[in-house]
Amino acid sequence: EAGVAQSPRYKIIEKRQSVAFWCNPISGHATLYWYQQILGQGPKLLIQFQNNGVVDDSQLPKDRFSAERLKGVDSTLKIQPAKLEDSAVYLCASSSIQGYEQYFGPGTRLTVT
Amino acid sequence: GQQVMQIPQYQHVQEGEDFTTYCNSSTTLSNIQWYKQRPGGHPVFLIQLVKSGEVKKQKRLTFQFGEAKKNSSLHITATQTTDVGTYFCAVNYGGSQGNLIFGKGTKLSVKP
Repeated sequence: EAGVAQSPRYKIIEKRQSVAFWCNPISGHATLYWYQQILGQGPKLLIQFQNNGVVDDSQLPKDRFSAERLKGVDSTLKIQPAKLEDSAVYLCASSSIQGYEQYFGPGTRLTVT
Repeated sequence: GQQVMQIPQYQHVQEGEDFTTYCNSSTTLSNIQWYKQRPGGHPVFLIQLVKSGEVKKQKRLTFQFGEAKKNSSLHITATQTTDVGTYFCAVNYGGSQGNLIFGKGTKLSVKP
């Protein structure tokens, strides 16, 4: 079974630029999560989708962050414009509707200079 | 917002010694999960605890959920170098099933 795929793995941008991350969850997993993990901290949930609907986006900074999962499969997370404090690893995870275990992808390491 | 306290932040042990990390909440939890993240890697699910006083074992790992469902611990017996990594608790306060709040983690290093 293929795991959660994410791309790119690394990205360096200047502040005020925009960036997008892509995630493809495990096949058949209805629930998809985006997390932000700042160095030395635990992952922080940004948004949770079930199929193509948003379950929770209460911690998503909506003035600059957006995410979509139009067809209920893969998802994109965008930051526009980026700030220095957005430097972090962005993790995507997925789970089945019946399951509680979250499977994480390798993450995208973003550096904002 | 709701937070979970995880201690210690770092733990350095000699191979063969035991290790314990604790997770504490001021509010009753619905359930708690534990994840392990190897250096440079991503979090990997270890276990979920749901019932008050629950104890689960996985080989050398023992997980406990407090009677009041406000705290939990992960204990590793006779650590090995393969146990190196950061151990996170992730708690659910009863929102959607996947709505987890992660602790800051305990970073374990093991000296051979």
